[in-house]
Amino acid sequence: EVQLVDSGGGLVKPGGSLRLSCAASGFTFSSYSMNWVRQAPGKGLECVSSISTSSSYIYYADSVKGRFTISRDNAKNSLYLQMNSLRAEDTAVYYCARASPHMDVWGQGTTVTVSS
Amino acid sequence: IVLTQSPATLSLSPGERATLSCRASQSVSSYLAWYQQKPGQAPRLLIYDASNRATGIPARFSGSGSGTDFTLTISSLEPEDFAVYYCQHRSIWPWTFGQGTKVEIK
Repeated sequence: EVQLVDSGGGLVKPGGSLRLSCAASGFTFSSYSMNWVRQAPGKGLECVSSISTSSSYIYYADSVKGRFTISRDNAKNSLYLQMNSLRAEDTAVYYCARASPHMDVWGQGTTVTVSS
Repeated sequence: IVLTQSPATLSLSPGERATLSCRASQSVSSYLAWYQQKPGQAPRLLIYDASNRATGIPARFSGSGSGTDFTLTISSLEPEDFAVYYCQHRSIWPWTFGQGTKVEIK
């Protein structure tokens, strides 16, 4: 079964850090670009970051540039999002999504809450 | 690229036809997708590249358009179709989503 499992969310204070993970199974992970998409409570969807198959191409939304770092480990079939200098407005459910190139497989989401 | 969806809310009865619109602020060619999202769930890909149904999506869902104007049509609403629908482009980074159209039971 093709599957993505998100993890690593939690409650963190403003200015803190968190590392999200996404474990892939059921497909050849190294053949697909991957994205992180977030959804603030009661709001719409925002593409946060994208990484190509060999990590050669990496993109960030302006809202997270300089604070978030996307990475992947193809040997471990895993995608990561290192989030630093977190702000209240980063509070959201974070989803990883496979880009084939359209986002056809999504994780279940992991919740990040930034609050003092 | 800004995607504007209309209407914000569509109130319809089961069996009725739903027509959702998505307009791009500049051409996205055919690089447009539609997603369905239900409360507490991840988005689900319905249509990609403007008019191609994703795997397992029923034939009552169809997409059309190119350039800046796109439409998602649900030919006859089933009870499980009441949800929020988003359009999304992949023309250039940043990929963006529309603000969503909620299809609710009338």
